[in-house]
Amino acid sequence: DAGVIQSPRHEVTEMGQEVTLRCKPISGHDYLFWYRQTMMRGLELLIYFNNNVPIDDSGMPEDRFSAKMPNASFSTLKIQPSEPRDSAVYFCASSFPSPETQYFGPGTRLLVL
Amino acid sequence: GESVGLHLPTLSVQEGDNSIINCAYSNSASDYFIWYKQESGKGPQFIIDIRSNMDKRQGQRVTVLLNKTVKHLSLQIAATQPGDSAVYFCAETEGGATNKLIFGTGTLLAVQP
Repeated sequence: DAGVIQSPRHEVTEMGQEVTLRCKPISGHDYLFWYRQTMMRGLELLIYFNNNVPIDDSGMPEDRFSAKMPNASFSTLKIQPSEPRDSAVYFCASSFPSPETQYFGPGTRLLVL
Repeated sequence: GESVGLHLPTLSVQEGDNSIINCAYSNSASDYFIWYKQESGKGPQFIIDIRSNMDKRQGQRVTVLLNKTVKHLSLQIAATQPGDSAVYFCAETEGGATNKLIFGTGTLLAVQP
């Protein structure tokens, strides 16, 4: 079975550039979550969607971060402009039918120079 | 300057021994708990869950114990194998209608051959 798919797996960019991370949830899952993991702060929830609608974005650090889910099989997390402190591993997770048992993708390792 | 990151608690065990990983939670309203395993370079992987109306649940080689009185959760791994080496996270629902999982800082399990 295909799990959660994320792309790219690694991204290196320069400060000020736009970064777009992509996620394809498990087919049939109606919850989608974006997390950020750093050594300093551990695993943090940024935003989550239910049926493509953003439910809670209180974890989004600031206006430079935005997330969309145009359909049930695709979501993006965008950082514009990127800063070195955004360097982290970004995970996407999905779940069904409840939001609690989440299945994680392999993550995107982002390095902003 | 030198960065300060999270210092992960580490549990070192011999192959074949049983492992016990502990987790304390603070929200008495939490009603659902999950253990995740994260191997190096991968996303967290669901291991086992337990609801607050239970105090024990068993899976394959793993057992989760919940003590609501002292707000303590533990994961027991029987006959620990080298493949069990990973960081283990407990997670709890925040309670209420938020549907968000709150992750602990994790414990590194190192299995010595």
